Amino acid sequence: AQTVTQSQPEMSVQEAETVTLSCTYDTSESDYYLFWYKQPPSRQMILVIRQEAYKQQNATENRFSVNFQKAAKSFSLKISDSQLGDAAMYFCAYRSALRRSQGNLIFGKGTKLSVKP
Amino acid sequence: GAVVSQHPSWVICKSGTSVKIECRSLDFQATTMFWYRQFPKQSLMLMATSNEGSKATYEQGVEKDKFLINHASLTLSTLTVTSAHPEDSSFYICSAIGLATTSTDTQYFGPGTRLTVL
Repeated sequence: AQTVTQSQPEMSVQEAETVTLSCTYDTSESDYYLFWYKQPPSRQMILVIRQEAYKQQNATENRFSVNFQKAAKSFSLKISDSQLGDAAMYFCAYRSALRRSQGNLIFGKGTKLSVKP
Repeated sequence: GAVVSQHPSWVICKSGTSVKIECRSLDFQATTMFWYRQFPKQSLMLMATSNEGSKATYEQGVEKDKFLINHASLTLSTLTVTSAHPEDSSFYICSAIGLATTSTDTQYFGPGTRLTVL
């Protein structure tokens, strides 16, 4: 069974600085997808970034980028120029590419990010 | 695009009553919908997966008769908590994967429903 581990329950960053959130996963599959979701105090889950395992290039979305290391099964999220609105719970998630998986996500336990003004 | 709504956003009910939560995909057809439960300061726990027109697939430990899921159309899934008890109080979130979204591999989430059972 696949597992997702986020080893940092809480992180803090100064506004305008850069922070990296860690995520590792375990799987025997070769084709899958990885996601970072953000959950602010409103509790609405917001997709931050996605990565296809078959792509070597790291995904980027504006100030958000990932460091995807397939061999190491690592998928960290880097937030550059942190803003107060980035404060939230961040969840790393895994999705199998197999059809029988139905697309369900396996979530890590989350990392609570605080941004200091 | 890819907006998912939930209704109600917050519901309070008496113990023993049933509560229905609706999940709608507003601008796309949801081929698959998911229902999650989230306890305070915890991650999301998948309860069940449903495909339009077929029976939901429940995760181990989730009572099928207590949490009734119906996915009657490509834009609507409902979760009914039957004979609710205080331990059912939680935050329930739905998500959907569908056609005509930017990515058919990505789940789009509703805003969640807070259920409080007195």
